[in-house]
Amino acid sequence: AQTVTQSQPEMSVQEAETVTLSCTYDTSESDYYLFWYKQPPSRQMILVIRQEAYKQQNATENRFSVNFQKAAKSFSLKISDSQLGDAAMYFCAYRSEETSGSRLTFGEGTQLTVNP
Amino acid sequence: SAVISQKPSRDICQRGTSLTIQCQVDSQVTMMFWYRQQPGQSLTLIATANQGSEATYESGFVIDKFPISRPNLTFSTLTVSNMSPEDSSIYLCSVVPGKNTEAFFGQGTRLTVV
Repeated sequence: AQTVTQSQPEMSVQEAETVTLSCTYDTSESDYYLFWYKQPPSRQMILVIRQEAYKQQNATENRFSVNFQKAAKSFSLKISDSQLGDAAMYFCAYRSEETSGSRLTFGEGTQLTVNP
Repeated sequence: SAVISQKPSRDICQRGTSLTIQCQVDSQVTMMFWYRQQPGQSLTLIATANQGSEATYESGFVIDKFPISRPNLTFSTLTVSNMSPEDSSIYLCSVVPGKNTEAFFGQGTRLTVV
C-alpha cells in the first residue's frame, strides 16, 4: 500500500522569508500524481500545486514550487516570500490511477505558522 | 473543475443519534469520496460512492455505521449513525472530475457529539 510521510508536524517562518516543507512517499507504481493541499482554519481544502510523476520538470505556481525527486520518492514544497495568508495546515497527497482509482492518500500534515 | 456544496457546515449532536451530510456537485462525476478528519489529524478515506452500486468501504469503516447513498451523478449523502463522542470529526466529500485533474472538496462538516 502507498504511504505518505510528512516528518514536520509544525514549521514556522518569518513573513517574506522562504520555507520548505518535506514529504516522502512509498510506492511501487510508476504512474501517479502528487499534490500539496492547504487547509486553513475554514476547513476548505485548497490545491496548492500538483506534479505528474512522468514529468521531470518541477512544478511551480507563483511563490510555490516543488522539488520532486522521483528516485528518492521525495516531494518537498518551497514557499517563497511567505505571506500571513500562507499560514495553514499543509498536506502532501498521493494518487495513482493504476491500483487506487482516484482516491488520495494523505500525509500527516504540517502546520505552518507565518510570523509578522 | 467542480464546485461542491456540502451541508451542514457544522452540527452539535447528542450521542446515539444520527446525522446525514449532503454533497451536491455542479457537474456529473462517476465517483465521490468521503473522508474523515479527526481532530488534529489527517484525512482518512471512509468510502467511495459510485452511482448505481453500493459504496466501497475502507478497512475500519462499515456500512451500518456510515451508510452512503448515491442516487445520481451529482449528489451523495453520508450518514453517521448511532453517534458517540469518538465520531466528533470533520467530514469531507470529494470528487475527481477527470483522470488528469486534481481532487475538489466540499467545505467540510464539523461534527461534535456530546
